[in-house]
Amino acid sequence: AQKVTQAQTEISVVEKEDVTLDCVYETRDTTYYLFWYKQPPSGELVFLIRRNSFDEQNEISGRYSWNFQKSTSSFNFTITASQVVDSAVYFCALSESPKTSYDKVIFGPGTSLSVIP
Amino acid sequence: ETGVTQTPRHLVMGMTNKKSLKCEQHLGHNAMYWYKQSAKKPLELMFVYSLEERVENNSVPSRFSPECPNSSHLFLHLHTLQPEDSALYLCASSPGVGQLNTEAFFGQGTRLTVV
Repeated sequence: AQKVTQAQTEISVVEKEDVTLDCVYETRDTTYYLFWYKQPPSGELVFLIRRNSFDEQNEISGRYSWNFQKSTSSFNFTITASQVVDSAVYFCALSESPKTSYDKVIFGPGTSLSVIP
Repeated sequence: ETGVTQTPRHLVMGMTNKKSLKCEQHLGHNAMYWYKQSAKKPLELMFVYSLEERVENNSVPSRFSPECPNSSHLFLHLHTLQPEDSALYLCASSPGVGQLNTEAFFGQGTRLTVV
């Protein structure tokens, strides 16, 4: 069965510190997709990244970077030089190889990040 | 602006009321979703529509009734809800059929309080 674990419920950092959000997943499929979404106080989920199971290259986008390691079933997310605007709940999510006509995405419980000025 | 619009943003209703949540997308997507986000719980998938046909219903109580009149609109009709149904209800859409496993776009949600 699919499962996504985000062990950190809440994290607080001081502005300009680096912070890493952990994500560990479980799946029996060899083909799957991993996502990170950001939920600011306004409520909507904002897509950040999608990674397929065959692409283990790490990715960097500005202050954001992602470390995908299949050996440990982890897809961690690092924010460098954090800013107050990064304060939000971050969700890691998993979608297995498509068996249906839509995307069945399983979300982790989320990590609430507070960046203190 | 995500392309998915939900109304109303906030709703307070009594347990005997009937109300509806609306979701609209003009992204040309074929799949639409309702999720429930309760405090301290993971996002729960409630319903999925693909090409206007309901394809998944995750054991949701019958007091929640979805409707998808066309590929751009999705409703969630609410009737005789319970206080534990208070939550943030999120609508999402994705390309769906033929374009699998691309990201879903979410609306801003409706914060529902049942009194």
